[in-house]
Amino acid sequence: GDSVTQMEGPVTLSEEAFLTINCTYTATGYPSLFWYVQYPGEGLQLLLKATKADDKGSNKGFEATYRKETTSFHLEKGSVQVSDSAVYFCALSVGNTDKLIFGTGTRLQVFP
Amino acid sequence: DAGITQSPRYKITETGRQVTLMCHQTWSHSYMFWYRQDLGHGLRLIYYSAAADITDKGEVPDGYVVSRSKTENFPLTLESATRSQTSVYFCASSDGRGMTQYFGPGTRLLVL
Repeated sequence: GDSVTQMEGPVTLSEEAFLTINCTYTATGYPSLFWYVQYPGEGLQLLLKATKADDKGSNKGFEATYRKETTSFHLEKGSVQVSDSAVYFCALSVGNTDKLIFGTGTRLQVFP
Repeated sequence: DAGITQSPRYKITETGRQVTLMCHQTWSHSYMFWYRQDLGHGLRLIYYSAAADITDKGEVPDGYVVSRSKTENFPLTLESATRSQTSVYFCASSDGRGMTQYFGPGTRLLVL
């Protein structure tokens, strides 16, 4: 069945370091792909999305490119800040029902 | 205020008791969802609803009941709570077109 696999955390970085969080997926058909972020004590917020192959989603300095050939949607940011500390979830949509399948989440900790 | 709200935010109950978690959204979104979040599992879909009076099971529906008599409300009931249902529960909604889901702040449930 459809699934999402993302790298285990925590990912610990110093401020201004480069961030990559890996995400790969298995899906029938052509899913849309998402990154959601969860700040401490809050619900999830959409960070970015891509709906077809080679699309690049971007927001707040984060980017991810939909790579159909490698079934990947890795999240990157050139220079992280302490305020980026959160849990990041990769997800894909299933069919036309708006249902989402989530990865297990990756905790990012950024230190000054 | 506009948005999606959940109540209660925190709940402690005992094994065997019935518990209802409330979810309310003000956008008139057609789709609503219930997820549970557990360490090592990410978010797992419990139930979802495409419109009023239309509900369907997700990945982990056992022990839960939902209803949707009004578009804006989507309550989740644990008929006889078990310790394994200790979790953080998130409600979400979407308009069914952009596929972006908007999440509530969550309900933290402890079953003793």
